[in-house]
Amino acid sequence: EAQVTQNPRYLITVTGKKLTVTCSQNMNHEYMSWYRQDPGLGLRQIYYSMNVEVTDKGDVPEGYKVSRKEKRNFPLILESPSPNQTSLYFCASSPEGGQHSTNYGYTFGSGTRLTVV
Amino acid sequence: ILNVEQSPQSLHVQEGDSTNFTCSFPSSNFYALHWYRWETAKSPEALFVMTLNGDEKKKGRISATLNTKEGYSYLYIKGSQPEDSATYLCAPDSNYQLIWGAGTKLIIKP
Repeated sequence: EAQVTQNPRYLITVTGKKLTVTCSQNMNHEYMSWYRQDPGLGLRQIYYSMNVEVTDKGDVPEGYKVSRKEKRNFPLILESPSPNQTSLYFCASSPEGGQHSTNYGYTFGSGTRLTVV
Repeated sequence: ILNVEQSPQSLHVQEGDSTNFTCSFPSSNFYALHWYRWETAKSPEALFVMTLNGDEKKKGRISATLNTKEGYSYLYIKGSQPEDSATYLCAPDSNYQLIWGAGTKLIIKP
């Protein structure tokens, strides 16, 4: 089944303890992206990747890191989590990014609900 | 950065009734508009991607129209069913980046 897999689904952690949220897609998509969703706001892009070894900042990259060493994986790293990073996180992928994304939709992972205390 | 507004924020509709809601966005630098359906505890699913002014797309009882000159899109649901309860998100694509609205939460009353 074609899908985007995120892990974990739920995570409670303490301030300052490094964590990684994994994202993997099996559709050979070039474009991958991380979003966070907070109440009353639209999805906000954290980082995106147009292809392997190519990553760019989105609208809210502070406090996050990503890597794209392989096409299928795009982990989100929080080196020193803080309570303001408590949020619902989504990973998404698309066959191509940029203007070519208009030919397709984005496929989303099931989400990771992160709580930082 | 685009300012995307979706209205209303939430909507209660009687089962069987038809309904519609709006996505408004600045018309400059427009490239495409995405509509997604997001059910609680699930991930957003793509409904439509629209690019042309006057475009109209349909998927079962759900359809959407696009006016790029005035900067709005309507989503219509005909004969609402309980399974239509979800949050509907729109996202215009400008300068190769999707900017997401906060969504319209639709609740269908049996």
